[in-house]
Amino acid sequence: QKEVEQDPGPLSVPEGAIVSLNCTYSNSAFQYFMWYRQYSRKGPELLMYTYSSGNKEDGRFTAQVDKSSKYISLFIRDSQPSDSATYLCAMSDLSGGYQKVTFGTGTKLQVIP
Amino acid sequence: GAVVSQHPSRVICKSGTSVKIECRSLDFQATTMFWYRQFPKQSLMLMATSNEGSKATYEQGVEKDKFLINHASLTLSTLTVTSAHPEDSSFYICSAKPGGRSTDTQYFGPGTRLTVL
Repeated sequence: QKEVEQDPGPLSVPEGAIVSLNCTYSNSAFQYFMWYRQYSRKGPELLMYTYSSGNKEDGRFTAQVDKSSKYISLFIRDSQPSDSATYLCAMSDLSGGYQKVTFGTGTKLQVIP
Repeated sequence: GAVVSQHPSRVICKSGTSVKIECRSLDFQATTMFWYRQFPKQSLMLMATSNEGSKATYEQGVEKDKFLINHASLTLSTLTVTSAHPEDSSFYICSAKPGGRSTDTQYFGPGTRLTVL
């Protein structure tokens, strides 16, 4: 079993739709949770960063963490064609004294105009 | 702020040659830098973690003699792929963690696409 599971998609939605992206994880030591957006042939760009369970909102993006269920989500409201990208969830703990980040495989999102 | 650059963005080389990739933090000092490799439709796989002034820590299965990492300063880390072979063709991405901050945020470079013929 992978430490982090993420549905690879692709996920196609019409412009303006609400998008829900999810990841589950098995390592209870993970303390920090992140969502990255990666455009084709580019490096990942940090979108959201959370530490505790609950919701965190930033503009059209909401990150949700449920540590009891080991489940995190990213919601995108009023999706735009420019949101079309691969979204990677990532989690980290302090392993061996230094941070180690484990990534999901990414969900490819396509927002259709 | 928090910009990380990589050079080159794309490199094509012959089998058996060595390739050096540079990772620079442009507007912050990075005590820790990370090197990842990403194959098509797969996630980022951590190769190694480097701290300025000390030896890199390699992940299991990554050959340290093949992938040489040098973190010479607080703004520069280099990855040298020695005696490259076609199976080393991949997208190499570095990230940098600002020193002295309490968060665990990493900032990623734009990546380097290596093609070994």
